Amino acid sequence: GENVEQHPSTLSVQEGDSAVIKCTYSDSASNYFPWYKQELGKRPQLIIDIRSNVGEKKDQRIAVTLNKTAKHFSLHITETQPEDSAVYFCAPFLYSGGGADGLTFGKGTHLIIQP
Amino acid sequence: DGGITQSPKYLFRKEGQNVTLSCEQNLNHDAMYWYRQDPGQGLRLIYYSQIVNDFQKGDIAEGYSVSREKKESFPLTVTSAQKNPTAFYLCASRGGAGANTGELFFGEGSRLTVL
Repeated sequence: GENVEQHPSTLSVQEGDSAVIKCTYSDSASNYFPWYKQELGKRPQLIIDIRSNVGEKKDQRIAVTLNKTAKHFSLHITETQPEDSAVYFCAPFLYSGGGADGLTFGKGTHLIIQP
Repeated sequence: DGGITQSPKYLFRKEGQNVTLSCEQNLNHDAMYWYRQDPGQGLRLIYYSQIVNDFQKGDIAEGYSVSREKKESFPLTVTSAQKNPTAFYLCASRGGAGANTGELFFGEGSRLTVL
């Protein structure tokens, strides 16, 4: 199965600064690269994803960049705000439009926004 | 409202008892998953199912059982063989063939405490 690692496990940044979280994976066949956000006591929700035919995708203050050669992708959050405080998970896999692979999540990154 | 419903939200169990967690979805999704979440451990896959009457073990299936008799339902039984069952359990689903996204949709979770 996929071996997924996230770094760092905890990240503390000043409000307004940028945050970057990295996810490395082992399966070179993976072609779908999502990031989920889980606020305290709530369910994880997708915030951004990218397919392997794209190197970067941006949605307002968040972006994801992909390096397939090196097998890693990163979540970038700019102009951080208090509501960005949460745990972020990556879960890369081979998406074929059907079936259900055993989706493996990273262990998560706890992002803390300091006022 | 379309979505995934988990019940109960909170559950207390005595040691040696089996307990079943319910997961129902009305999203017409083919794939369903059960994850266990412990503090600092991220999301660990217990079982997953692609279609009715078919399911596969995930990374930590020991002490758990599932069934998939209907497309909408994927209940998880935590048996007395599970040595450390106190945890937060999350059910998720994903669209199958024809879906244009690999996004996982999560329920609100069930928190099980063994007394």
